Amino acid sequence: QQQVKQSPQSLIVQKGGISIINCAYENTAFDYFPWYQQFPGKGPALLIAIRPDVSEKKEGRFTISFNKSAKQFSLHIMDSQPGDSATYFCAASIEGGSYIPTFGRGTSLIVHP
Amino acid sequence: DGGITQSPKYLFRKEGQNVTLSCEQNLNHDAMYWYRQDPGQGLRLIYYSQIVNDFQKGDIAEGYSVSREKKESFPLTVTSAQKNPTAFYLCASSSNTDTQYFGPGTRLTVL
Repeated sequence: QQQVKQSPQSLIVQKGGISIINCAYENTAFDYFPWYQQFPGKGPALLIAIRPDVSEKKEGRFTISFNKSAKQFSLHIMDSQPGDSATYFCAASIEGGSYIPTFGRGTSLIVHP
Repeated sequence: DGGITQSPKYLFRKEGQNVTLSCEQNLNHDAMYWYRQDPGQGLRLIYYSQIVNDFQKGDIAEGYSVSREKKESFPLTVTSAQKNPTAFYLCASSSNTDTQYFGPGTRLTVL
């Protein structure tokens, strides 16, 4: 049973456009929602994360929007650049507990110059 | 320079051989994890350990084994029982269950 559903599986945008990746979760006990960025042949690295006490978090061109009632969260990449081309994973976990993080299946983003 | 190291970067295995992938961290993290990554499959959890001398099976543990004799080290053995071991293997660690820090990965190919 997939507890975090991520979409789309792949995404192609033009340079300067907005990239949007969505995730939906089922377990209402989740209280930590990170996004990881992975370049080809490398390990994933934390990009940005949010906790459910806020509805939005912005770091530079990257923004997480969180909708607790809908159990959804999304990553927005503004002014997308070719260097943003990577695979993005959302995840959900229970902070400080023994629950193992659940990852979405990933979104392959290609930004054309 | 803190972080997670994995070795080797590339590994080739003949059918029927066991191979061991190394994972070391100097972040003083209690928890360590092994994931397998296949194209389009995301990250699948093989084994995890939250304390020295203890580890738990993940979603796809069959054909794999681990040990956790030291806090810094969490080696993964891919045994001959693993029928389709060709994949990208990622080790991660965390101080609790929120942010995970990943190593650079080992790409295993069966010849």
